Order: sequence, then C-alpha cells, then structure tokens
Amino acid sequence: DTGVSQDPRHKITKRGQNVTFRCDPISEHNRLYWYRQTLGQGPEFLTYFQNEAQLEKSRLLSDRFSAERPKGSFSTLEIQRTEQGDSAMYLCASSLVWEYRGEETQYFGPGTRLLVL
Amino acid sequence: GQQVMQIPQYQHVQEGEDFTTYCNSSTTLSNIQWYKQRPGGHPVFLIQLVKSGEVKKQKRLTFQFGEAKKNSSLHITATQTTDVGTYFCAGGSGGGSNYKLTFGKGTLLTVNP
Repeated sequence: DTGVSQDPRHKITKRGQNVTFRCDPISEHNRLYWYRQTLGQGPEFLTYFQNEAQLEKSRLLSDRFSAERPKGSFSTLEIQRTEQGDSAMYLCASSLVWEYRGEETQYFGPGTRLLVL
Repeated sequence: GQQVMQIPQYQHVQEGEDFTTYCNSSTTLSNIQWYKQRPGGHPVFLIQLVKSGEVKKQKRLTFQFGEAKKNSSLHITATQTTDVGTYFCAGGSGGGSNYKLTFGKGTLLTVNP
C-alpha cells in the first residue's frame, strides 16, 4: 500500500494524559499536513511541514500540541495534558508541491480518532 | 484570514434528482479543489480547477471555477446512492512556501433510493 498511513487508528485516553500519533506520508511527497476534524465540520488546518521544516502553525495549535518531522519523512503529533475538547479525528495529508505552479493535491490518511474521557 | 464558505450545509435528494453545492472565498484563489468524504471515511481528492471560468466534467459531476476565481460549484446530475457523502471545497492561495489550502465546512449529501 503506497498511500498515507496513520497509527493508531483509534485512541481512547483519560483527561490529562499525553498521546502521540504517527503519520507516514507517500514516500516522495515533500509536504505533510495535520488537520483536525470534528463531526459535521471540514478539516481544520493545524500545521504543515515542507520536508523537515515546520512552516506554519494554526492558532488552533495550543502549547499543548507539538508536531515533528525529524527526517522529512514520517511525522508525529503529540498532545500533552489532553482535554475533552481535544476529542476529534486527526487527519494527516501529504502532497508533492510544484511551487512554480502553485498547485497541490493532498492525499489524506485514514485518520486517528481520539476520544478523551 | 482567508475564509471559504460552502452552501448548503445539508442536502437531501431523491435518487435521480440533481444536486449542486456552492463554494465562496473571501479572497481570490490560485486554484480550487474538491474532495469527497464518505461516512466514516477520509477526504478523497476529486479534482482541481486552476483557470478563471474553467469547467471540468467527470461523468455525472460538473465542476466550475468562477471568472473572478473566488467561487466554485459542483453539480451532480441524476444522483445515485453511491454519491452519498460530504463534499468539501478547498481554496488554494499564496505562493511558494506560503501556499496553503483552506477547506470549507462541506455539504452533506444524502440520497433517498
């Protein structure tokens, strides 16, 4: 399977615990995005990487959230001291950006569904 | 910041009826993309429009990009039960490392057989 993969697919945790999610993008893709999606809403941008550089972070990304992409391949998203409001689907997407054309197609992974009790 | 709005939020149709969802951006876009998300699934890329006034067709789906590159529409002719899902538009803006996609909230389509 050469698509975007995410692990775990589901996570149940207690409030206050830390959780970490992993995303493996399509191998040749240089961009990697993290989104959060709640029921009935579109994906909300959290942050993205171009290769290993984190280029932008949304205001939604509080200090409890941190993302890394150490070698420009897989990425991790950590949430510290989880709160019930963090319950959502966390989606990862990757793309190959042709900067001079300003075009991009993002390929989404299956997501990690987080439930904070 | 840039906002992308979609209407309607929900649409229920009888199988065989047509369906249209509209997308409007607060700023001029470099391109617009459409995605479909089936219930319980993840967004899947459908198409990208780049040129002002562009129209593209995929079987029963017709996509349009407005002349001002600030709005777009997706029209489905003679809906089928397999069309059920949420349709998202995503507006691309900025250039180079500033390029970003902003998603609308989507239109949930349900089809009564």
